[in-house]
Amino acid sequence: GENVEQHPSTLSVQEGDSAVIKCTYSDSASNYFPWYKQELGKRPQLIIDIRSNVGEKKDQRIAVTLNKTAKHFSLHITETQPEDSAVYFCAVRGSYIPTFGRGTSLIVHP
Amino acid sequence: DTEVTQTPKHLVMGMTNKKSLKCEQHMGHRAMYWYKQKAKKPPELMFVYSYEKLSINESVPSRFSPECPNSSLLNLHLHALQPEDSALYLCASSPPRGAGELFFGEGSRLTVL
Repeated sequence: GENVEQHPSTLSVQEGDSAVIKCTYSDSASNYFPWYKQELGKRPQLIIDIRSNVGEKKDQRIAVTLNKTAKHFSLHITETQPEDSAVYFCAVRGSYIPTFGRGTSLIVHP
Repeated sequence: DTEVTQTPKHLVMGMTNKKSLKCEQHMGHRAMYWYKQKAKKPPELMFVYSYEKLSINESVPSRFSPECPNSSLLNLHLHALQPEDSALYLCASSPPRGAGELFFGEGSRLTVL
């Protein structure tokens, strides 16, 4: 099955700094790569996704890049704000069921 | 309606109780999922229903019993649970011809005493 590695497990930044979270995957047939944000006690919410025919996608302060050759993709958050503090999960979907990374706890200090 | 609705939001039960978690969506999604999530861990897949048929059971103990009465409803019946089953139980659905986006419900927080 698919193997997804996510790093770092914890990321602490100052407000206004950038944050980068990276995921690698094993199945070259995977074609859909979403990122979820989960605040304490709440459901995971899709914040951005990318498909395998695209290299980069941006939505305001959030961007995702995909390198299919190297089988890794990254979440970039610029100008971080305290409300960005949450656990972020990457996921990879190939033929059927998404596989989640282990999560990154992002802490943004005011 | 773009929501996945789960009830109850919170549930406390003893190890001898029988209870059920319910999930409902009216987005026409034909795949529905149950996930179990412990704090700060990723969602762990339990069951998948596709077109109302159980297609995946990730070796879940029989004290968890899923049911899909129709294309909009998904239940999880609970019986003789253990304290280690305490977790957030998330229902999700996905569209039939999408890339695989998961739409999560708010979850049911289960505590087993």
